[in-house]
Amino acid sequence: DIQMTQSPSSLAASVGDRVTITCRASQGIRNDLGWYQQKPGKAPKSLIYLASTLQSGVPSRFSGSGSGTEFTLTISSLQPEDFATYYCLHYNSNFLTFGGGTKVEIK
Amino acid sequence: QLQLQESGPGLVKPSETLSLICTVSTGSITSISYYWGWIRQSPGKGLEWIGTISYSWTTYYNSSLKSRVTISLDTSRNRFSLKLNSVTAGDTAVYYCASRSTSYGSVDSWGQGILVTVSS
Repeated sequence: DIQMTQSPSSLAASVGDRVTITCRASQGIRNDLGWYQQKPGKAPKSLIYLASTLQSGVPSRFSGSGSGTEFTLTISSLQPEDFATYYCLHYNSNFLTFGGGTKVEIK
Repeated sequence: QLQLQESGPGLVKPSETLSLICTVSTGSITSISYYWGWIRQSPGKGLEWIGTISYSWTTYYNSSLKSRVTISLDTSRNRFSLKLNSVTAGDTAVYYCASRSTSYGSVDSWGQGILVTVSS
């Protein structure tokens, strides 16, 4: 099974900060990776698919990059509504794996 | 995006079978555009993929759960189901049903989730 290592597991940031979250795959997964935002008590929401394609309606301050084994989610200017937990998900095969999550908290 | 809704008992006894249904109210489960699946989240923990079923009934299961999981389609009612047998307290979680695009592979639509507690 492909393992996804996400880092950091948590971070504290201020409104307006640039935030970067990384996911590493245990083997190459091309660009078959998505990023999800989850707020407490809610289902995850898809932000990005195919590593860098923004879902419809998602603000442009979110961006994704990477291919192969290393991927990045960037929030260019953190907004109050962005404080949440973020997960990566690989779907390179029909056996999916989530990263461990990154909790973005207010500094 | 599709609309999905989980239903089923919120309490299951240890060693029994957890059974959940996901009703799809927009889109057809026989569409070649989607796969259907289940994901769970234990309290305070991360997300865990349970398994997926295709429109052609092909199933894919998490290797750690494979011996206990069955996912199936109910085409007459446009819904799909999850059965997890021999449950323990470790199976207590919020269970989400979700759809996966066959074009992009991504999991795009989620149900709201249902908390299932395993306890006697």
